[in-house]
Amino acid sequence: EAGVVQSPRYKIIEKKQPVAFWCNPISGHNTLYWYRQNLGQGPELLIRYENEEAVDDSQLPKDRFSAERLKGVDSTLKIQPAELGDSAVYLCASSFGQGGSYGYTFGSGTRLTVV
Amino acid sequence: AQTVTQSQPEMSVQEAETVTLSCTYDTSESDYYLFWYKQPPSRQMILVIRQEAYKQQNATENRFSVNFQKAAKSFSLKISDSQLGDAAMYFCALNNAGNMLTFGGGTRLMVKP
Repeated sequence: EAGVVQSPRYKIIEKKQPVAFWCNPISGHNTLYWYRQNLGQGPELLIRYENEEAVDDSQLPKDRFSAERLKGVDSTLKIQPAELGDSAVYLCASSFGQGGSYGYTFGSGTRLTVV
Repeated sequence: AQTVTQSQPEMSVQEAETVTLSCTYDTSESDYYLFWYKQPPSRQMILVIRQEAYKQQNATENRFSVNFQKAAKSFSLKISDSQLGDAAMYFCALNNAGNMLTFGGGTRLMVKP
């Protein structure tokens, strides 16, 4: 079974440009998460979806960040326009329900560099 | 709010020796789950071990074990017979029932041959 798939793996863009990240969760996992991980730090939650509904987006900078999860499967995270401080690894994870004792399954992330 | 703290930014261990990584947490919930994740340079978070808060027995997975002290809100990871492949970032994480997974700042483990 394929794990959580993310693309692209790396992205370098100039500031003020738009960028998008894509995530395909594990089949059957109805909950999907986007985390941001700054260099040398732990991941921090940006947004959580249950099926196609965003149930926790309190940490998402809504002035420049947007996300969608059409049909409750794949998800896209977008930044427009990107700023230098957005350079980080963006991790996608999925779980069945809220994860409970099984935790989440993570993808390999997208490393974004804004220059 | 829930918080997770890892006070050791870096740890070093000789191959085949034992090392313990520390983690403390804070939550107002009585029902929660604790995890240790490993993150190698490939960046993928790999689940190492999990502990249900209602269980008094410490979890063990092969060379990995935890020391769960619920009253002290402490959750340390012990790695026995350390191997070169154990070198990575290790993150302690807390999941409240009905909440999201919160991570500590991580500990970089180096294994010396």
